[in-house]
Amino acid sequence: SQKIEQNSEALNIQEGKTATLTCNYTNYSPAYLQWYRQDPGRGPVFLLLIRENEKEKRKERLKVTFDTTLKQSLFHITASQPADSATYLCALVENYGQNFVFGPGTRLSVLP
Amino acid sequence: NAGVTQTPKFQVLKTGQSMTLQCAQDMNHEYMSWYRQDPGMGLRLIHYSVGAGITDQGEVPNGYNVSRSTTEDFPLRLLSAAPSQTSVYFCASSSLGGTYNEQFFGPGTRLTVL
Repeated sequence: SQKIEQNSEALNIQEGKTATLTCNYTNYSPAYLQWYRQDPGRGPVFLLLIRENEKEKRKERLKVTFDTTLKQSLFHITASQPADSATYLCALVENYGQNFVFGPGTRLSVLP
Repeated sequence: NAGVTQTPKFQVLKTGQSMTLQCAQDMNHEYMSWYRQDPGMGLRLIHYSVGAGITDQGEVPNGYNVSRSTTEDFPLRLLSAAPSQTSVYFCASSSLGGTYNEQFFGPGTRLTVL
C-alpha cells in the first residue's frame, strides 16, 4: 500500500541548533517533493521544492535533500529560532502536479 | 490580490443537514483542490479540478460533491452531513506547469457536525 510518513509527531530542539525532519514514502513515484509550514489555525505555506533528479536544495537557513533510492527527504533548519516553531508538512507530487499527497506533519518546537 | 479565500470560517451543522463551503482564488490558477485535515492524519485530498468543467476524486471523496463552473470558484458541497465529517477543510490552488507548482492555501473552514 502507499504510505508517506514523517519521522515524529513532535520534535523539540534548543535555539541555535539544527533541526532535521524526515519524510519517508513507499509505493509512490513522485516527480518532486515539497515542504510546507503550517502555523496553528492557518493554512499551510509553501517553503521549498526539490525534484527527483536533484540531490539538495537550499533557501536561506533551509536545506532539503531527496534520495529516491532510500525514498526519503530530509528537511533541515540551521540556526533554529523560536519563530521557526510550527508544523512542517512534506508533500509528494505525482502526475505533473495533479496529485499531491501530504504527510501527517512534524510539530517542531524551538526552545529559547 | 486576496489569494485564496474561504467562507465560512466556522460552521456547526446537525447530522443530515447539507451545506456548501465556498472557495475562490484570484490568481488565475488552473488547479484547485479541497482537503480535510484531521489530527494525526495530515491533509487528505477530497476532490480536485484542473480547470473549469473538469473535476476528479481524491483520496476521500465520499459524502462530498464539487463543481467548477469558473476558473475562480470551487465550492464543496456536503450532501448529508455526518459526525465523521467534523474536520478542518482547506481549499488550495496552484498553477499547472509552473516551476514550483506550489499550492496556495486558504485560511480553512472549521466544521463541526453534531
